[in-house]
Amino acid sequence: GAVVSQHPSWVICKSGTSVKIECRSLDFQATTMFWYRQFPKQSLMLMATSNEGSKATYEQGVEKDKFLINHASLTLSTLTVTSAHPEDSSFYICSARDQVPPREGYQETQYFGPGTRLLVL
Amino acid sequence: GQNIDQPTEMTATEGAIVQINCTYQTSGFNGLFWYQQHAGEAPTFLSYNVLDGLEEKGRFSSFLSRSKGYSYLLLKELQMKDSASYLCAVVDSNYQLIWGAGTKLIIKP
Repeated sequence: GAVVSQHPSWVICKSGTSVKIECRSLDFQATTMFWYRQFPKQSLMLMATSNEGSKATYEQGVEKDKFLINHASLTLSTLTVTSAHPEDSSFYICSARDQVPPREGYQETQYFGPGTRLLVL
Repeated sequence: GQNIDQPTEMTATEGAIVQINCTYQTSGFNGLFWYQQHAGEAPTFLSYNVLDGLEEKGRFSSFLSRSKGYSYLLLKELQMKDSASYLCAVVDSNYQLIWGAGTKLIIKP
């Protein structure tokens, strides 16, 4: 299957600093990438949908000025958590798909990155 | 509203068979995914169903009935490593993924 990488895998930072997380599709071009957040023992929560070359679409309740998303190329999307606070500590996961919408009979799958664990002190 | 229901937790014995159910009510339907997520890790793809019927892939099978808004994931010959959360997700009419809360599967020796 397709491979999606995330960097870094672990981040520990002080409150008030900004943290950038990269998501890369390694062997396919991803016109759409998704950013999720998952708190311990909870389900995945979609934060935003990132389309290459256009502005991200944020889910209700997610502050776009706090979680900056840039999808500048077909293989890279970045999430920047600005002025991070302890409540932003979470597991951030990106996923990518390579076709929108899927052709009939084509199995479209979201491929997940390994996730980035953020701890804000 | 859109809704995906799956049991919160299930327990099964090593070597046995377990069926994890998922029912959904969404605006449109363009397929259903099952993902496996081990604690502290990102989800990994298990199966995708868009047509009614059973799809078998090794020890894992997934079934879909679109008319009933129902799917299940069947795990055979359970192994300890199958202890994980299993997530059901439906692609709606806008090609957005709607996620269930996940079913935590506990395997006992």
